[in-house]
Amino acid sequence: GESVGLHLPTLSVQEGDNSIINCAYSNSASDYFIWYKQESGKGPQFIIDIRSNMDKRQGQRVTVLLNKTVKHLSLQIAATQPGDSAVYFCAETDNNNDMRFGAGTRLTVKP
Amino acid sequence: KAGVTQTPRYLIKTRGQQVTLSCSPISGHRSVSWYQQTPGQGLQFLFEYFSETQRNKGNFPGRFSGRQFSNSRSEMNVSTLELGDSALYLCASSPDYAYEQYFGPGTRLTVT
Repeated sequence: GESVGLHLPTLSVQEGDNSIINCAYSNSASDYFIWYKQESGKGPQFIIDIRSNMDKRQGQRVTVLLNKTVKHLSLQIAATQPGDSAVYFCAETDNNNDMRFGAGTRLTVKP
Repeated sequence: KAGVTQTPRYLIKTRGQQVTLSCSPISGHRSVSWYQQTPGQGLQFLFEYFSETQRNKGNFPGRFSGRQFSNSRSEMNVSTLELGDSALYLCASSPDYAYEQYFGPGTRLTVT
């Protein structure tokens, strides 16, 4: 069936480096994509979203790239900080409105 | 603006019992979604309510149900609890579905 998945379950980066978290999806009808950050003991926190009519969107220190051709989504975090350590989820939905989440990538930032 | 609140935060139940969880969305948000989060299955969509109507439903058995009130507050109910229902249950609100969702802190349910 359709699914959303992540390439890597863990990612470790040095403080100050850039981080890239990847996500693959299989539903070609998906038209809305979101990245969430979840810290221990908290609910997911919205980071950034993108609709299928765009291929790039930038926020504060974060950029989401969408490649519909290969059904790939990535989250780039610039100048990664210790406070960025968390689990990052991608999520996608289509007109059926069934929001699907990836398994999550644990980002660890080393000082 | 106050965030999404969920009560209770922690709950311990025994098999066969039922449980009701509550969610208060952000003021003005009419869409409320519920999710189950477990280490093995990750985040899974349960259902979504908008203006007191269930618009979307995930692939969960009928033991999982919900409702939404006129003030957009929502409850979910799980009947005949099973050990596998132990999870973090998250509620999220948004102005409408395909928009950024704001999550509450979750209710940690443990079934023994």
